[in-house]
Amino acid sequence: KQEVTQIPAALSVPEGENLVLNCSFTDSAIYNLQWFRQDPGKGLTSLLLIQSSQREQTSGRLNASLDKSSGRSTLYIAASQPGDSATYLCAVLGTDKLIFGTGTRLQVFP
Amino acid sequence: GAVVSQHPSWVICKSGTSVKIECRSLDFQATTMFWYRQFPKQSLMLMATSNEGSKATYEQGVEKDKFLINHASLTLSTLTVTSAHPEDSSFYICSARDLLAKNIQYFGAGTRLSVL
Repeated sequence: KQEVTQIPAALSVPEGENLVLNCSFTDSAIYNLQWFRQDPGKGLTSLLLIQSSQREQTSGRLNASLDKSSGRSTLYIAASQPGDSATYLCAVLGTDKLIFGTGTRLQVFP
Repeated sequence: GAVVSQHPSWVICKSGTSVKIECRSLDFQATTMFWYRQFPKQSLMLMATSNEGSKATYEQGVEKDKFLINHASLTLSTLTVTSAHPEDSSFYICSARDLLAKNIQYFGAGTRLSVL
């Protein structure tokens, strides 16, 4: 059974810092891995999707990497801003299900 | 981009009543839709997988008679919470898989259910 874990569970930093959020999964047989952002009480916003054949994806200040063999992904946020405050979820797609990680709650203060 | 519309966004009901939540793929066809549940400060837990024209597949521990799922067309799936109780209060999110891009899931904005 696929298990997805995210570390840290919560993070509070001053703005301007570069951040690394971690995601690990137990079953390396995945089709893709996706990072989402969720604001309180809201739905999901897709940030980056990495196919199993790819090693990284970039969008603006965000960079996500994937090491399928070791079951790890990282989301790198450059020059963090208060507007980045949210919960970040990673999710892996196996044979037929998208399994979500435990989430990292990020707070960036001015 | 592909859009999944979920309705209503928020519903309050009395204990014992049933509530129906709709999930529509607006600009693509979805043979498979998914229903997730999220408790406060927790991640999304898959409840069931809904396939068009067939019975839904429920995850372990999810009562199929409690959470009725219907996926009658390629663009619509519904989740009915029957005889809702306060412990059913949660955030429900649907997702649809594009028929033409089977590894991509698009998410609705979620429905917050509060049972009094």
